Amino acid sequence: DAKTTQPPSMDCAEGRAANLPCNHSTISGNEYVYWYRQIHSQGPQYIIHGLKNNETNEMASLIITEDRKSSTLILPHATLRDTAVYYCIVWSNQGGKLIFGQGTELSVKP
Amino acid sequence: DTGVSQDPRHKITKRGQNVTFRCDPISEHNRLYWYRQTLGQGPEFLTYFQNEAQLEKSRLLSDRFSAERPKGSFSTLEIQRTEQGDSAMYLCASSLAGWGSPLHFGNGTRLTVT
Repeated sequence: DAKTTQPPSMDCAEGRAANLPCNHSTISGNEYVYWYRQIHSQGPQYIIHGLKNNETNEMASLIITEDRKSSTLILPHATLRDTAVYYCIVWSNQGGKLIFGQGTELSVKP
Repeated sequence: DTGVSQDPRHKITKRGQNVTFRCDPISEHNRLYWYRQTLGQGPEFLTYFQNEAQLEKSRLLSDRFSAERPKGSFSTLEIQRTEQGDSAMYLCASSLAGWGSPLHFGNGTRLTVT
């Protein structure tokens, strides 16, 4: 079973920041937080991952709370092309399979 | 393009036929994963390899399914005696084995069983 909880859907206005929350209260010390997104008819696209420090790359920023029980993915200036299902996953790749939950369906609107 | 490549992108077959899908991972990646995704659901894990060794198989992988990675490079997923319930997107992903290394997915093979 997935170890994360995400809202099923969110809306965001084009050009505004999209903040996608994720709860992972049972995360283990060796598990990273990963974010993927999936646009219709494509495979999941890796976005970012982190262990305990905040991370930023060209796609997004990841903010992880100090107790590591929740995190937020930030898309700083959402575009229509960011409309997708976003998956938050906790995983240690030393344990085999990565498990997807239901994700958050983000709709970016003009 | 140096990403994960899957072939074919689409496959339509009649119930009872056998089908085989191919996945070419990112070249330096030693782990390869297969997932299945049905409409409206997240991807479900099927199996994974480290090099040529198949390390884990899901209960979803019935006896009709077999996956191979003979030389630790590309992989094939075969479904024998297809059923309508096998209709889904079959996704392949690859990664390095290092701690924290993310999976990188291909765009999948969509199977339709008529």
